[in-house]
Amino acid sequence: GEDVEQSLFLSVREGDSSVINCTYTDSSSTYLYWYKQEPGAGLQLLTYIFSNMDMKQDQRLTVLLNKKDKHLSLRIADTQTGDSAIYFCAESIPPPGGGSYIPTFGRGTSLIVHP
Amino acid sequence: DSGVTQTPKHLITATGQRVTLRCSPRSGDLSVYWYQQSLDQGLQFLIHYYNGEERAKGNILERFSAQQFPDLHSELNLSSLELGDSALYFCASGGRGANTGELFFGEGSRLTVL
Repeated sequence: GEDVEQSLFLSVREGDSSVINCTYTDSSSTYLYWYKQEPGAGLQLLTYIFSNMDMKQDQRLTVLLNKKDKHLSLRIADTQTGDSAIYFCAESIPPPGGGSYIPTFGRGTSLIVHP
Repeated sequence: DSGVTQTPKHLITATGQRVTLRCSPRSGDLSVYWYQQSLDQGLQFLIHYYNGEERAKGNILERFSAQQFPDLHSELNLSSLELGDSALYFCASGGRGANTGELFFGEGSRLTVL
């Protein structure tokens, strides 16, 4: 079955890089995602990566995928106080019968950025 | 703003009662997903509808039901409420373009059962 694990907390200093890690169990995972949740808000998709890629970069965000170890990471360069939020890793596997992909989420990592 | 609208934002009710949560998806999205977020279980998938039809079920209790209407809005009905049903219920939409599982979440409906 699908299971996504991530550490609960990460604290960094403003201006440093943050690296949030995630492991998943299903080797047939096709898409892997990073979502951000700010207080009182819904989840917002930051980026996703297709399983045949090993890296994706989008401005300050870099996603690394190690399929062999089933490990996904999100690096945020030059972390700002506005990046403080909960970051969720998620995966989805090919749906049976060709339906829609349905993400399974980890419990989220609370990123705390201090001056 | 994701474009997904959920009502009500907050709801307080008593055990044994029934509530209905409402979701309007982003314009053009055909899929609606319901998730439950609680401290002990994290974010759990409940059910998925596509263009009015149920497509997938997750960890949805028999006391809960949902539907998607012809105008694509969706309702999640929770009945015989228990204390443990207190949670944040999210609706998400997608399905407009490529099938990548990219979801757009509403701000959630916070349910408190006393």
